[in-house]
Amino acid sequence: TQLLEQSPQFLSIQEGENLTVYCNSSSVFSSLQWYRQEPGEGPVLLVTVVTGGEVKKLKRLTFQFGDARKDSSLHITAAQPGDTGLYLCAGELRNNNDMRFGAGTRLTVKP
Amino acid sequence: GAVVSQHPSRVICKSGTSVKIECRSLDFQATTMFWYRQFPKQSLMLMATSNEGSKATYEQGVEKDKFLINHASLTLSTLTVTSAHPEDSSFYICSASQGTHYGYTFGSGTRLTVV
Repeated sequence: TQLLEQSPQFLSIQEGENLTVYCNSSSVFSSLQWYRQEPGEGPVLLVTVVTGGEVKKLKRLTFQFGDARKDSSLHITAAQPGDTGLYLCAGELRNNNDMRFGAGTRLTVKP
Repeated sequence: GAVVSQHPSRVICKSGTSVKIECRSLDFQATTMFWYRQFPKQSLMLMATSNEGSKATYEQGVEKDKFLINHASLTLSTLTVTSAHPEDSSFYICSASQGTHYGYTFGSGTRLTVV
């Protein structure tokens, strides 16, 4: 059983659609990060959320940290083929030496 | 921003040989670096935590004699896959963090193929 449950595992949508990826846990995190990984590359950090209830926006991406700091969501508006990739959430339990990754959401956006 | 350089990006080796993968933090010091293995279409699997000047901490099920980790300086950690076998073929990624709440900066990964 993973500490961070990420859903959905796979998502295939048409260009222009909206989508939400969820990251849930029963544990409280000091911070949570979202990463995006393209094939053959290392993951790239998209955002870090620290405060319960925090909402951050990055162009068409909206990230939310749950009030209790146990869950997070990533919402993409008007998805584009360039958004295709593996999205990973990662929770920091106590400090940066104790990071746990979700299983990832593989997003495919078709033109 | 923080940059982590990983080398080589791809390597093909013969079964029974050893391969060394380097991970460097280019513009910050990293007392701790992390090594992951990733199978196709799966998430990252933490193999070990590399600590500068001390022994690495291995995750359960990871053979420390098979995957040798050396973190001799604050900017360099190496992973050596010893006596490689075809089942060791995988994508290996390193990461480092500038500190709590900074998140991780990942290297670009190394695709190892053992033939």
